[in-house]
Amino acid sequence: AQSVTQLDSQVPVFEEAPVELRCNYSSSVSVYLFWYVQYPNQGLQLLLKYLSGSTLVKGINGFEAEFNKSQTSFHLRKPSVHISDTAEYFCAVSDLTPGTGNQFYFGTGTSLTVIP
Amino acid sequence: DGGITQSPKYLFRKEGQNVTLSCEQNLNHDAMYWYRQDPGQGLRLIYYSQIVNDFQKGDIAEGYSVSREKKESFPLTVTSAQKNPTAFYLCAARAGLANTGELFFGEGSRLTVL
Repeated sequence: AQSVTQLDSQVPVFEEAPVELRCNYSSSVSVYLFWYVQYPNQGLQLLLKYLSGSTLVKGINGFEAEFNKSQTSFHLRKPSVHISDTAEYFCAVSDLTPGTGNQFYFGTGTSLTVIP
Repeated sequence: DGGITQSPKYLFRKEGQNVTLSCEQNLNHDAMYWYRQDPGQGLRLIYYSQIVNDFQKGDIAEGYSVSREKKESFPLTVTSAQKNPTAFYLCAARAGLANTGELFFGEGSRLTVL
């Protein structure tokens, strides 16, 4: 089974500053990668996904992520954050290894707080 | 609008009572999932179903039960055997050939045991 590690549980950042939320996973064999955002008392919304092709993926709300196969990482970045970006962010991996049922594995989340 | 509808949004239960959380989708997706979310623990898989009339246990199935009689519906029952049921519950559905797409989530149901 995969494991997904989000290295920072909480990230405070000033408004208009850049931010990077880190995500590492355990195996680079046959995976799809995702970042989701969750606002308080709501479900998860997809920010972006990597399935194949270019390793730099652009998503909604100005976020982007880079897939690094050798480092088994999929870090999320935004060059300038806004107050409205304050939320919980989850990294997820879909394991495509035959026999695993294409299961999703989630990290424990990173709480991003944007400071005015 | 297409999507996943969970109800109720908030639910209170006395100890010893069973409660059923509803999840309905109009996305025509085959696979559906139930997750439990607790602070600092991310999402943990309770049950999932890849086709009608079939479902599989996830990592924390004890004290829960599900059914999948219709493609669009996947209700979750939290039974009295679940020792610590207070949590936020999320239902999801999955698209793509052989379920290789992303998960689409409902808005969640918050269960509190009094």
